[in-house]
Amino acid sequence: DSGVTQTPKHLITATGQRVTLRCSPRSGDLSVYWYQQSLDQGLQFLIQYYNGEERAKGNILERFSAQQFPDLHSELNLSSLELGDSALYFCASSVRDPLTSEQFFGPGTRLTVL
Amino acid sequence: GESVGLHLPTLSVQEGDNSIINCAYSNSASDYFIWYKQESGKGPQFIIDIRSNMDKRQGQRVTVLLNKTVKHLSLQIAATQPGDSAVYFCAESGGSNYKLTFGKGTLLTVNP
Repeated sequence: DSGVTQTPKHLITATGQRVTLRCSPRSGDLSVYWYQQSLDQGLQFLIQYYNGEERAKGNILERFSAQQFPDLHSELNLSSLELGDSALYFCASSVRDPLTSEQFFGPGTRLTVL
Repeated sequence: GESVGLHLPTLSVQEGDNSIINCAYSNSASDYFIWYKQESGKGPQFIIDIRSNMDKRQGQRVTVLLNKTVKHLSLQIAATQPGDSAVYFCAESGGSNYKLTFGKGTLLTVNP
């Protein structure tokens, strides 16, 4: 158990819908990262937050957004969902920034868009 | 563009043998490298990391080697065990951003 929690574990929804994935980092970790893992694209970095502020952006679509709240939990919002958005979404956290410390990954949320 | 890739998508070894998983990267500004292990149904798990000012780092049964000249990273697992069966990812970051770029992964299968 990494100490990072993600909810829900599974999510099934339809195209065009909007979903919110939630992540709670390890106690004391200020950085939160979101990743998408699909069979054809591998593990792709989406976005990073550090102590409530966006710190780095990766291959995140405009339909996707995220935020980190004062209690340091984070949410990833996916809207206008498409079939291709079906994937595993991982959240990771680390103690400090910049990105030179170990990242602890949560168990992931499996999103299925029908 | 930036990319991190793996030479071998699959690797099958006998229990007790040593395993070597290779990774190439293209961003010469990368200064931090990590190996992750991902078991089926789980999130990636940190194995070992190395900074660009080092060329070798050892952990418990694992060694990471970094060759900056040819932009090559390898993970060596000593006395491979069935529990080592997983997908292994290399990842790198550096330069002006904090983005972690992952390779596509190598599936390691350990045969008893």
